[in-house]
Amino acid sequence: SQTIHQWPATLVQPVGSPLSLECTVEGTSNPNLYWYRQAAGRGLQLLFYSVGIGQISSEVPQNLSASRPQDRQFILSSKKLLLSDSGFYLCAWSRTVQETQYFGPGTRLLVL
Amino acid sequence: AQSVTQPDIHITVSEGASLELRCNYSYGATPYLFWYVQSPGQGLQLLLKYFSGDTLVQGIKGFEAEFKRSQSSFNLRKPSVHWSDAAEYFCAVAGMDSSYKLIFGSGTRLLVRP
Repeated sequence: SQTIHQWPATLVQPVGSPLSLECTVEGTSNPNLYWYRQAAGRGLQLLFYSVGIGQISSEVPQNLSASRPQDRQFILSSKKLLLSDSGFYLCAWSRTVQETQYFGPGTRLLVL
Repeated sequence: AQSVTQPDIHITVSEGASLELRCNYSYGATPYLFWYVQSPGQGLQLLLKYFSGDTLVQGIKGFEAEFKRSQSSFNLRKPSVHWSDAAEYFCAVAGMDSSYKLIFGSGTRLLVRP
């Protein structure tokens, strides 16, 4: 069966510091991968998606970036965090773009 | 533009009572429809999905949802709520074309009275 992991579970970072959140999927190959952000009291917003290694599409302009160095690894990064980057970050995977997306446990980020 | 509306921000029901969570979507063609549940501090778990066929779909934990094309709705129901159902529920829509996006509603928080 497939499993999706996110690391770390929680993170507290000062404004202006760098960020690296990791997502890994096990039990499948060549998955589609997604990064979502959930701000407090709001729904989910798609940030990035990837259909293959090195292929990243961005949905919203921001100071975040994503990379996919390996088939089942998806990384969300920032060079300098803003207060507005605080939120709950969820990674998801699917077999194809039109199939069900399965979500990881999430990373809660607090920028102070 | 595609959108999903969940008109109820909070709903409170008594344990054992029936539940209906509303979801309306705006999409130019027949979409894929999903309901996810999120417990506090957790990721999202898929409850059920509609791709085609029977418009009444059964999901996990005793939930069901009905796709009504004429009303652009996909309401979630459960005949008898358990205290463990307290969580936030998200409706989402995805395109049947080349679109990759899941568009989420803003969620409905369910509170269950003992």
